Amino acid sequence: TQLLEQSPQFLSIQEGENLTVYCNSSSVFSSLQWYRQEPGEGPVLLVTVVTGGEVKKLKRLTFQFGDARKDSSLHITAAQTGDTGLYLCAGVGNTDKLIFGTGTRLQVFP
Amino acid sequence: NAGVTQTPKFRVLKTGQSMTLLCAQDMNHEYMYWYRQDPGMGLRLIHYSVGEGTTAKGEVPDGYNVSRLKKQNFLLGLESAAPSQTSVYFCASSYPRGGGPGELFFGEGSRLTVL
Repeated sequence: TQLLEQSPQFLSIQEGENLTVYCNSSSVFSSLQWYRQEPGEGPVLLVTVVTGGEVKKLKRLTFQFGDARKDSSLHITAAQTGDTGLYLCAGVGNTDKLIFGTGTRLQVFP
Repeated sequence: NAGVTQTPKFRVLKTGQSMTLLCAQDMNHEYMYWYRQDPGMGLRLIHYSVGEGTTAKGEVPDGYNVSRLKKQNFLLGLESAAPSQTSVYFCASSYPRGGGPGELFFGEGSRLTVL
């Protein structure tokens, strides 16, 4: 069974601070996605990373895929209250299924 | 553009009752999925389908059945509900890309409580 562990589980910070969320596994993934979920809604895709070592930037969000394709990180610079939500990583493993991580709940206070 | 629609949005059941959750997508996607979301556990895959008339088991299939008689619909059934099935259920669909499932588009969720 392929598992994805995210850390931290909860994160509470003030506007303007930087943060990093980690997504780790002992398994190799062919690609990895990051989603954000707001209360009462389904997750929405932020980015897909495919190549080991790949770095993608989406405005203040920076996503990195580990060289061995077993881990990933999401870094947010100068967090805003609009960044509040549940962040989920999801990996495509040895089948065509998407396996989701345990999630990181981020709260950004003004 | 409706995207992925789930019905019902809320339901309360007694232990042993049965029910069906309906998922409909209007994007002509090949793949459809049912996930359950519980606190601290992310999303866990129950069953999925890679095309009309096909279904496959995910991580937590026990106690659930599914059917995909039409490409746009994916039904999730609980034959005899148990309190452990209290959860928020999400349906998703995708169009496969590059050997993987592609981007998943989710419904708004169905909150099920089993007493």
